[in-house]
Amino acid sequence: GAGVSQSPRYKVTKRGQDVALRCDPISGHVSLYWYRQALGQGPEFLTYFNYEAQQDKSGLPNDRFSAERPEGSISTLTIQRTEQRDSAMYRCASSLGQGAYEQYFGPGTRLTVT
Amino acid sequence: GESVGLHLPTLSVQEGDNSIINCAYSNSASDYFIWYKQESGKGPQFIIDIRSNMDKRQGQRVTVLLNKTVKHLSLQIAATQPGDSAVYFCAENADGTSYGKLTFGQGTILTVHP
Repeated sequence: GAGVSQSPRYKVTKRGQDVALRCDPISGHVSLYWYRQALGQGPEFLTYFNYEAQQDKSGLPNDRFSAERPEGSISTLTIQRTEQRDSAMYRCASSLGQGAYEQYFGPGTRLTVT
Repeated sequence: GESVGLHLPTLSVQEGDNSIINCAYSNSASDYFIWYKQESGKGPQFIIDIRSNMDKRQGQRVTVLLNKTVKHLSLQIAATQPGDSAVYFCAENADGTSYGKLTFGQGTILTVHP
């Protein structure tokens, strides 16, 4: 079956621009996670949704970062007024439900801020 | 071959050897641990997990060992194959949340030579 998909796969943007990264989880998965992964490092937690409810956003670096999942399926991570330090791989993962820890990761969006 | 902790991030073995990848964790309250495999250009892929009420769990060619006394986790891969070459991450549910808010380690690069 289809796995987690993310778009775009690559995004190059100029400093100060806003970007929106999309995640389409595995069908039927109610839990959705956003992570950021620096080169050579493990993913770093950003935020978590259970259905449409954002239950944990403790990992978002600052208020330029926001995420939504309005219908409990597709999620969007938005970064406003991008800065060069925002350049990274942004990964989305989904799992069957709360308490089901096995997370399935998407291919990621490589964001480069110039 | 054996990797002694994440401060030695590379492990090189011959095809057919057994591999052991080690991980030290710091939070004694962590109750769930998971190993991921990440191939170049792909998202992390679930390998095996273990809860803190267990000290060993076996999968297909892989075994995870948990030593809570010394806060140590290891992944053993039997009869390592070239297709096992990847970066391996351990992760823990350090916050003790009921959902999968995972904290990832740095990773170990496994290279398998034919």
